[in-house]
Amino acid sequence: AQSVSQHNHHVILSEAASLELGCNYSYGGTVNLFWYVQYPGQHLQLLLKYFSGDPLVKGIKGFEAEFIKSKFSFNLRKPSVQWSDTAEYFCAVNRGGTASKLTFGTGTRLQVTL
Amino acid sequence: DSGVTQTPKHLITATGQRVTLRCSPRSGDLSVYWYQQSLDQGLQFLIQYYNGEERAKGNILERFSAQQFPDLHSELNLSSLELGDSALYFCASSGSRDSASETQYFGPGTRLLVL
Repeated sequence: AQSVSQHNHHVILSEAASLELGCNYSYGGTVNLFWYVQYPGQHLQLLLKYFSGDPLVKGIKGFEAEFIKSKFSFNLRKPSVQWSDTAEYFCAVNRGGTASKLTFGTGTRLQVTL
Repeated sequence: DSGVTQTPKHLITATGQRVTLRCSPRSGDLSVYWYQQSLDQGLQFLIQYYNGEERAKGNILERFSAQQFPDLHSELNLSSLELGDSALYFCASSGSRDSASETQYFGPGTRLLVL
């Protein structure tokens, strides 16, 4: 069965610091990869996704992620975080085709301090 | 606002009881997914319906069942509730094609507390 690992459980950064959150998945076939964000008290929202093409994907709010197939990784990055980025971030994967059920990582809680 | 609605927002019930959670997908979306988010298990896929038919099943207990109605809204039924069923239950919907690359849009969730 596929699995998703997010190694950082809780990250604390100061405003303007750079962010990189790790995500690794275990499935060897075709995958679609997603990063979702959950702001306090809100529902999950899509930040970005990769399903084909350029492995460097740009999303909303200045986030980007790079798909490295050889490393089974899809790390999320942002060059300069803001206090409003405080949230929980989830990496998710599905197998492509019509197998759309998402397998989520355990999430990374990001706290940005002023 | 994702366009996915879920009711109720909160539910408090006792062990052994049965509850029904309701989800209305975004307009035009044919797929509905149910996920459970708990502290110990994280976010786990339960079940997917596509245009009224069960499409995929995940870690859904036999005490749980779901259906999707002709108007595309879905209900998740949880019975013989146990303390461990306390969790946040999310519904998500995706578009008109049965494709894994489609974005899933999540509702605000129903927080279930079993006492």
